[in-house]
Amino acid sequence: AAGVIQSPRHLIKEKRETATLKCYPIPRHDTVYWYQQGPGQDPQFLISFYEKMQSDKGSIPDRFSAQQFSDYHSELNMSSLELGDSALYFCASSLARTGLNYEQYFGPGTRLTVT
Amino acid sequence: GESVGLHLPTLSVQEGDNSIINCAYSNSASDYFIWYKQESGKGPQFIIDIRSNMDKRQGQRVTVLLNKTVKHLSLQIAATQPGDSAVYFCAETQGFQKLVFGTGTRLLVSP
Repeated sequence: AAGVIQSPRHLIKEKRETATLKCYPIPRHDTVYWYQQGPGQDPQFLISFYEKMQSDKGSIPDRFSAQQFSDYHSELNMSSLELGDSALYFCASSLARTGLNYEQYFGPGTRLTVT
Repeated sequence: GESVGLHLPTLSVQEGDNSIINCAYSNSASDYFIWYKQESGKGPQFIIDIRSNMDKRQGQRVTVLLNKTVKHLSLQIAATQPGDSAVYFCAETQGFQKLVFGTGTRLLVSP
């Protein structure tokens, strides 16, 4: 079965640079969530989209922005990168339209290293 | 408030033992709970879920127990195998809202 796809899998950037992470949800899924996981920490919610509209916002810095496109893929844009942004970034998707299954399916993550 | 895992408790068991991993959740309004398994460098993998109108749910070798009175979840793994070694997270949510993760527990299974 198709899973959530994230690209790139690894990304190395320098401080003050920008980065764009991409997420392709499971086909027909309409909701995308972004999470950030620091070393040894639990994943922290950043932002989510339902049917291309922002549905919730968590601890996402103002330097970050995200959107969901007409094909339901999502991009997380990160500017003025800081050392503390080094983390694993996960995307998850779910099918909210039916209201039946709350499960969020996670992608393999993008490991961002800021030097 | 939201839970943040700064320390990773560890549970060490022998192969074949039963494992019990515990989790406290924070929001009494949460109506859906999930256990995830995360291997190093990989995304969280769904293990089992339970809705707030249940107190127990069984899967293959895994059982989740929910005690809403004390806001406590547990994951029981029967006949633990080396392949079960990973970090386990519980997560809570309301419907299709964000997941709030609990502190992970590292499970180490010795052969």
